[in-house]
Amino acid sequence: NAGVTQTPKFQVLKTGQSMTLQCAQDMNHNSMYWYRQDPGMGLRLIYYSASEGTTDKGEVPNGYNVSRLNKREFSLRLESAAPSQTSVYFCASSTHSNQPQHFGDGTRLSIL
Amino acid sequence: GESVGLHLPTLSVQEGDNSIINCAYSNSASDYFIWYKQESGKGPQFIIDIRSNMDKRQGQRVTVLLNKTVKHLSLQIAATQPGDSAVYFCAVEGGTSYGKLTFGQGTILTVHP
Repeated sequence: NAGVTQTPKFQVLKTGQSMTLQCAQDMNHNSMYWYRQDPGMGLRLIYYSASEGTTDKGEVPNGYNVSRLNKREFSLRLESAAPSQTSVYFCASSTHSNQPQHFGDGTRLSIL
Repeated sequence: GESVGLHLPTLSVQEGDNSIINCAYSNSASDYFIWYKQESGKGPQFIIDIRSNMDKRQGQRVTVLLNKTVKHLSLQIAATQPGDSAVYFCAVEGGTSYGKLTFGQGTILTVHP
């Protein structure tokens, strides 16, 4: 069981470049989430998708867009990367809201 | 909105001791509470959860206690092992934040052999 798979694992971008982070889950979960984690801090929710076809903003959505491509896949796009977006990005999924979320191992993104 | 804090950023214990990690939350409407363990270079791993209609729940070597009166959550780890060394996060959901987990900053647990 792969669980939640994130690609790529590492990426370095220049300011102004665009990039899409990919996430796929094989647990038939309805809800999917994108978080960022900065040094010494907990995770902050960027966007989430309660079910296929819906997306909503989280705590820190500015500078990001998302696409729930199908039930399995939920991508996060940075249209014009900024150094403040240097972070570790985690994707998670759950059967529904108010259920344990299962996380991938993250994408480490550096923006120069 | 919800804010989640921790009483101690670090906790150091001897192997075999019991560990207690504490968490405070602000929103009395929160109804779902969850603890995660995060090892270096990995994503958070689910440990145990509890809903607001309970005040205690036990798993394998772990117990979560919920005190809704003072909005306090704790994770107890029995007979702590070196493999328990990690960062532990509490997270809460509910009320106007339904569907959204709010995470605390984390407690670094170090277990000495």
